[in-house]
Amino acid sequence: GQNIDQPTEMTATEGAIVQINCTYQTSGFNGLFWYQQHAGEAPTFLSYNVLDGLEEKGRFSSFLSRSKGYSYLLLKELQMKDSASYLCAVRDPNDYKLSFGAGTTVTVRA
Amino acid sequence: DGGITQSPKYLFRKEGQNVTLSCEQNLNHDAMYWYRQDPGQGLRLIYYSQIVNDFQKGDIAEGYSVSREKKESFPLTVTSAQKNPTAFYLCASNGGPSGNTIYFGEGSWLTVV
Repeated sequence: GQNIDQPTEMTATEGAIVQINCTYQTSGFNGLFWYQQHAGEAPTFLSYNVLDGLEEKGRFSSFLSRSKGYSYLLLKELQMKDSASYLCAVRDPNDYKLSFGAGTTVTVRA
Repeated sequence: DGGITQSPKYLFRKEGQNVTLSCEQNLNHDAMYWYRQDPGQGLRLIYYSQIVNDFQKGDIAEGYSVSREKKESFPLTVTSAQKNPTAFYLCASNGGPSGNTIYFGEGSWLTVV
């Protein structure tokens, strides 16, 4: 089975940095995804990690440690439009099962 | 352009009715998925398929059924056995073990009336 944990909510100020953690306990691992979702819309892709280390894409970065079952998404220079839910997902290598965490709601305040 | 098309966007179901949500992709992806999302909640896996004519139950399969007769199509039927079907349904696809992006459809809102 797969167990994926994320904090429920986080609040930060415009221009600041926020780090969203994701821990997973899975029977296998073949990649971790981060998605952003605004209310009532489909999720949009942010990042993908399959090897240990940091992946940087503009204001967003994602880190993975497979030995620790741990990832984080780092959002820099926060903007009001970054207020959304952030979803962590893990893929099983045996049957391609994709499981999501419950999501972290980030609120950016002026 | 390549992508995933879900339909309908909005659907109303009467008590005791079966309804089918359509999902079509032209990305040539092997893996396809159906998720359910309740307000303020995350995505819960209903069914997934790795290949044509094969599919597996996810975490909340009861009251749902699927088929995968063609690579590009993965319809979801919400049966009358699903007692609380009102939710947002998302279809997704992925290129397989090395696929580095999950593509989502626009989603379907199902409401019981």
